[in-house]
Amino acid sequence: AQTVTQSQPEMSVQEAETVTLSCTYDTSESDYYLFWYKQPPSRQMILVIRQEAYKQQNATENRFSVNFQKAAKSFSLKISDSQLGDAAMYFCACSGSARQLTFGSGTQLTVLP
Amino acid sequence: DSGVTQTPKHLITATGQRVTLRCSPRSGDLSVYWYQQSLDQGLQFLIQYYNGEERAKGNILERFSAQQFPDLHSELNLSSLELGDSALYFCASSVRGPGNEQFFGPGTRLTVL
Repeated sequence: AQTVTQSQPEMSVQEAETVTLSCTYDTSESDYYLFWYKQPPSRQMILVIRQEAYKQQNATENRFSVNFQKAAKSFSLKISDSQLGDAAMYFCACSGSARQLTFGSGTQLTVLP
Repeated sequence: DSGVTQTPKHLITATGQRVTLRCSPRSGDLSVYWYQQSLDQGLQFLIQYYNGEERAKGNILERFSAQQFPDLHSELNLSSLELGDSALYFCASSVRGPGNEQFFGPGTRLTVL
């Protein structure tokens, strides 16, 4: 079983600036995956980025990158050049051999013009 | 558009009633997952099916049941509904294999009055 903790219920960032969302997790498995999902006001769950635990290199997708610290069980999301369309609820999630996702409680990101 | 479809989009019913939520996975995906998103419980995994067989159960109430049909669509049945069952119900699908990347449908918003 996994647990995922997001300690920042709300964050705000100025348009074009950079923001980092925090996530810590706990799992007893050695083979697992970590994800960040975005949920805009439409409520659609959109995959932002994925990290395989066995890979040391941090995943990057355009303006989105992660800082994966395996020993610390930390998985933060960095959004560069923030845009108004990035405003959403962001969920950190973990899955292991059982494949189902365990989600954190989410961070509501506001982008200020 | 994730390729996962869910019907209906909205459902309003009364306590004690029974409803069925339907999900069609992405073409080629054999796994279907059901999640519940509520204000007090957050995003919770309910149940997983793989190619017609139940694979994993999460925090699913005994009043809830699901199945996956030969054409791979899935239905989530909720019975003896209570006010607390009001939530957004998501279906997600994934291919078999590493990565565990799940693609979410738009969700069904259930309101129990």
